[in-house]
This record gives sequence, structure tokens and C-alpha cells, in this order.
Amino acid sequence: GENVEQHPSTLSVQEGDSAVIKCTYSDSASNYFPWYKQELGKRPQLIIDIRSNVGEKKDQRIAVTLNKTAKHFSLHITETQPEDSAVYFCAAIRAGNMLTFGGGTRLMVKP
Amino acid sequence: ETGVTQSPTHLIKTRGQQVTLRCSSQSGHNTVSWYQQALGQGPQFIFQYYREEENGRGNFPPRFSGLQFPNYSSELNVNALELDDSALYLCASSPGTANEKLFFGSGTQLSVL
Repeated sequence: GENVEQHPSTLSVQEGDSAVIKCTYSDSASNYFPWYKQELGKRPQLIIDIRSNVGEKKDQRIAVTLNKTAKHFSLHITETQPEDSAVYFCAAIRAGNMLTFGGGTRLMVKP
Repeated sequence: ETGVTQSPTHLIKTRGQQVTLRCSSQSGHNTVSWYQQALGQGPQFIFQYYREEENGRGNFPPRFSGLQFPNYSSELNVNALELDDSALYLCASSPGTANEKLFFGSGTQLSVL
């Protein structure tokens, strides 16, 4: 089955700096890679996703890059704000299969 | 458009008991998936229901079972509770079976003593 590893487990940045979270996956057939944000005590919410036929996708301050050859993908947050503080989860899936989540990254943005 | 709602929000049970958790899917979504999220970890897939039938299962024992009703709402049942079952149980709905663009509920926090 799929195995998704996520690094780092915690990340502390100063407000305005960039944050990068990296994930690797094991199943080369995986073709969909979402990122979820979970604030303390709240539900996970989808913030961005990318398919395997695309190398990069951006949405305002958030971007995701995918390297299929190396089987890794990354979340980039620019101009971080205190409200970006949360736990971020990457995930991977191949068609017809279940979604496998990484272990999560706790991002802390210091004002 | 209503979101995914789960009940109850918190539950305390003792080892060996049985529990039923409930989920109402987002309007227009016909697929419901259940996830277990232990403290400090990512959600783990339990199973998915589509048109009232189980449509995929993760690595969980048979004492984890579920149902989906004609209105697409769902139940998760856990028998013979163990201490390690203590976790946040998340329900997610989606408009199809591809497990993409999941909408999660706020979860049921289960504590097994």
C-alpha cells in the first residue's frame, strides 16, 4: 500500500517569512495529492491539491510542487501570517484507492 | 448548502463496550468515508460507503463496521472497545468515490477508559 512521509513535524517561522513542508510517497501509481489544514480543535480543510499531470499549482500565497520522478511534493506558503498557524497534512491517492495521509506538520507563525 | 455534521462531539466509554457514531453528509454528496485520527497523527482511513455499500476498507478489524442510509447519512459502529480506540473519528463526504476534495466533519472525540 501507499506510505506517505512528511517533514518537518514542527516548523516555526517569523511572520512574513516563507514556510515549506515536504512529503514523499511510495506508490508511483498515485496521481492525486491534496493538502489539508487543521486548526486546533477544528476539522481538516482542503487548501490546495494537485494531480500528477501537473508540476506546480498556485493559489494566492499557497503553492504546491510535484516531482513525480523523485516521488515527492511540497507545500509552499509565502508571506506567512499568524492565522496560517495550524497542522498541515499532505496526502496521496491513486485512482480507486484510499487516501493516505502524512503524519502532519505543526506550523507556528510568530508575530 | 449544509456541511458535514457529526454526533456526538464527545463520548466516554469503557473497555469492552460498543459505540455508534453518526454523520450527515454535505448536501449533494453520495459518498461517506470514515477516518480515525489518533493524537498527533494524520487521519487513517477506516472505510468508505457509496450507495449504501462498503466501497473500500483500510487496515481495521471487523469490529469496526458501518452503514449508509438512503439519505447518504452514515454510522460507524465499534464493538468490544479497546483503549487504543481512543481517538478523534472524522467523517468526510465527497461528491464521488474518488476520495478527492473531501469535506470533513468536526469529528467525535472518543475516549475509552
